[in-house]
Amino acid sequence: QQQVKQSPQSLIVQKGGISIINCAYENTAFDYFPWYQQFPGKGPALLIAIRPDVSEKKEGRFTISFNKSAKQFSLHIMDSQPGDSATYFCAASESTDKLIFGTGTRLQVFP
Amino acid sequence: KAGVTQTPRYLIKTRGQQVTLSCSPISGHRSVSWYQQTPGQGLQFLFEYFSETQRNKGNFPGRFSGRQFSNSRSEMNVSTLELGDSALYLCASSLWGRGETQYFGPGTRLLVL
Repeated sequence: QQQVKQSPQSLIVQKGGISIINCAYENTAFDYFPWYQQFPGKGPALLIAIRPDVSEKKEGRFTISFNKSAKQFSLHIMDSQPGDSATYFCAASESTDKLIFGTGTRLQVFP
Repeated sequence: KAGVTQTPRYLIKTRGQQVTLSCSPISGHRSVSWYQQTPGQGLQFLFEYFSETQRNKGNFPGRFSGRQFSNSRSEMNVSTLELGDSALYLCASSLWGRGETQYFGPGTRLLVL
């Protein structure tokens, strides 16, 4: 019940396209859903986060869509750029810093 | 503000040895969490410290331990190292550890031979 399932494992997108990564969870007590971006040799960096009282949050080219009834949330990257090539992790927690991470999605954006 | 710093950045040990990793959180942050990252298991939570007390713990054996000092700096220790302990160990800090933004350090890459 503590799992967060993430798909796809890898994603190849052309520059300017939309990248979509999906996550699903079982624990209805989760109340914080961040997305992290990680470049090789670096620690994860927070990209955007959402709480279950909103269905969508947008920050620049990054949007989280949240479906509480389906227990799913997704990250949309609009106008994907080669600089977005990285590994993306969804995560969830219950009002604590104990983050349960998804398995990661390796995104490659080709020019 | 300086970010989360971790030392050392790289470490090579042999089986059976023990290791201590250090983490300095962002100034003013009182919560420090540790994570293990491996290709097979992904990112897994080890433990969280707040005000020198362990507040949360993941599913790792007792060989993994940690502590936090009064200045919020934290250390984690792994005793009797096993080959499977080879991983990137990440430290993250936040203000209160109540599900707000965690800032990660660059990690310590541990190789156990």
